[in-house]
Amino acid sequence: AQSVTQLGSHVSVSEGALVLLRCNYSSSVPPYLFWYVQYPNQGLQLLLKYTTGATLVKGINGFEAEFKKSETSFHLTKPSAHMSDAAEYFCAVSDLGGNNRLAFGKGNQVVVIP
Amino acid sequence: EAEVAQSPRYKITEKSQAVAFWCDPISGHATLYWYRQILGQGPELLVQFQDESVVDDSQLPKDRFSAERLKGVDSTLKIQPAELGDSAMYLCASSLERATEAFFGQGTRLTVV
Repeated sequence: AQSVTQLGSHVSVSEGALVLLRCNYSSSVPPYLFWYVQYPNQGLQLLLKYTTGATLVKGINGFEAEFKKSETSFHLTKPSAHMSDAAEYFCAVSDLGGNNRLAFGKGNQVVVIP
Repeated sequence: EAEVAQSPRYKITEKSQAVAFWCDPISGHATLYWYRQILGQGPELLVQFQDESVVDDSQLPKDRFSAERLKGVDSTLKIQPAELGDSAMYLCASSLERATEAFFGQGTRLTVV
């Protein structure tokens, strides 16, 4: 079964600094990979996704992620953090051709320091 | 813009009582998911439907939880009896096809007292 590892539950970043959230996945088949963002007491909103094709994917709010098969990684970055980026971020993996179970990591709580 | 609708948004119930949550997916979405999210953790899949059929309920505590999607459209998740450990956010999501992105509702925050 596929799984996701996100290290460091809390991430603090200064306003204007680089945001980097790490995600490593495990999957026996070519994966679909996703990053979601969650604001307090809200559902999850899709930031970006990788299915096939270009390994660098761009999402909403200036975020992007790069799929690296050799490293089984899908790290999320944003060049310059904004106060509105404070939220919880989840990496998820889905198995292509399987039951489409969407498995989530434990998440990263991002705190933006003014 | 189409959204996944969930109700209620918040629910407080006493332990041993029954509680139910409702979800209406985006029109035309065949796959529907129920997730449970404990505070500070990632969502955990409880049950997944493809149309009206359950395709994965391996993590659903079947002694107290049940889920149905009778006409392959909206869905109900029930807990009976509720326990203190059931306090969590219950998220419903839907997707158009297998292995495509899932769209989430706002969730139901359950507190069992």
